[in-house]
Amino acid sequence: KAGVTQTPRYLIKTRGQQVTLSCSPISGHRSVSWYQQTPGQGLQFLFEYFSETQRNKGNFPGRFSGRQFSNSRSEMNVSTLELGDSALYLCASSLGTDSYEQYFGPGTRLTVT
Amino acid sequence: AQTVTQSQPEMSVQEAETVTLSCTYDTSESDYYLFWYKQPPSRQMILVIRQEAYKQQNATENRFSVNFQKAAKSFSLKISDSQLGDAAMYFCALKTSYDKVIFGPGTSLSVIP
Repeated sequence: KAGVTQTPRYLIKTRGQQVTLSCSPISGHRSVSWYQQTPGQGLQFLFEYFSETQRNKGNFPGRFSGRQFSNSRSEMNVSTLELGDSALYLCASSLGTDSYEQYFGPGTRLTVT
Repeated sequence: AQTVTQSQPEMSVQEAETVTLSCTYDTSESDYYLFWYKQPPSRQMILVIRQEAYKQQNATENRFSVNFQKAAKSFSLKISDSQLGDAAMYFCALKTSYDKVIFGPGTSLSVIP
């Protein structure tokens, strides 16, 4: 079974631009979560989607948004990029939202200049 | 609010020796899951071991085992016969039903040959 895939793997953007990251979960997994990982802040939860509905949301500004499609693939969007948005963005999928372990993708490394 | 604390930012162990990573957590829920994840330098997060709170028996996966003390809200990871490939960042995580996963700040483990 294929693992979680994330595209693109690396991205360089300029301040003020917007970016869309994509995540394809493991086949059969219906829950997708997004995390921002930085050396200073560690792993911070962004949001979780289950069956196209946002189930949980972290403490990030409205510039961060996401969605999930009927095939469980998910995208996250960051508008008006700031230098502080430079991070590794991790996607994780799980079977459901009720206490299932998560399987992580390789991440997208976003650099904002 | 749920929290996860890892009090050891860095640890080191000699190859073939045993090391224990500490984790404490706080939750008012009675039903929850605990996880240890490993993130090697290549950045792909991998699930190491999971523990259901309702199970008294400590989980074991090959050289990895946990010491789950529910009353003390402690969940330590023991790595036996440490190998060079065990060098990584280790994250302790807590998930309650229908809520997001909370990750600890991580412990960086070095293995000395």
